[in-house]
Amino acid sequence: AQSVTQLDSQVPVFEEAPVELRCNYSSSVSVYLFWYVQYPNQGLQLLLKYLSGSTLVKGINGFEAEFNKSQTSFHLRKPSVHISDTAEYFCAVSLFGNEKLTFGTGTRLTIIP
Amino acid sequence: NAGVMQNPRHLVRRRGQEARLRCSPVKGHSHVYWYRQLPEEGLKFMVYLQKENIIDESGMPKERFSAEFPKEGPSILRIQQVVRGDSAAYFCASSPRTGGYNEQFFGPGTRLTVL
Repeated sequence: AQSVTQLDSQVPVFEEAPVELRCNYSSSVSVYLFWYVQYPNQGLQLLLKYLSGSTLVKGINGFEAEFNKSQTSFHLRKPSVHISDTAEYFCAVSLFGNEKLTFGTGTRLTIIP
Repeated sequence: NAGVMQNPRHLVRRRGQEARLRCSPVKGHSHVYWYRQLPEEGLKFMVYLQKENIIDESGMPKERFSAEFPKEGPSILRIQQVVRGDSAAYFCASSPRTGGYNEQFFGPGTRLTVL
């Protein structure tokens, strides 16, 4: 069975500073990888996904992530954060041919003005 | 172009009552997933349905929980005889399932509070 680990439950960052949110996964087979964002009292919105091909994936709102197969990681980065990036971020995986998502426990990103 | 709709957005029930959560998928989507988010946790898969079929219910508690997605109308997640531990946010997602990778589109969730 696959699993996802998000080591940082909370990450405070000053506005306009860079940020990295860490995600590691475990699976015996190939997976698809995702980052979702959840704003307060809202549903999840897909930020970006890795299906195949280039290991550097660009998403919405200036976010990007890099798939590292040897380290089984899919860390999310943004070079300069904005107050509006304050939200909960979830890393998730699914298996090829099975779209059931397995989520990490989330990282709460707080932007400090 | 409406997205996934869930209602009610907030639901309060007393212990022992029934909770009925509804999910209307994106128009044209024939596959629905239900996830549960307990406080301070990530989302956990519950069940995957196609119209009139349960495809995967491996995440559903064995008792009191059931789900359906009829030919007409929304998908329903039913929780009988609710207990305090059922308090959570329940999210529905839909996908078109046309082959290859199919993105799941999430609804805003129903927040269930059991008193």
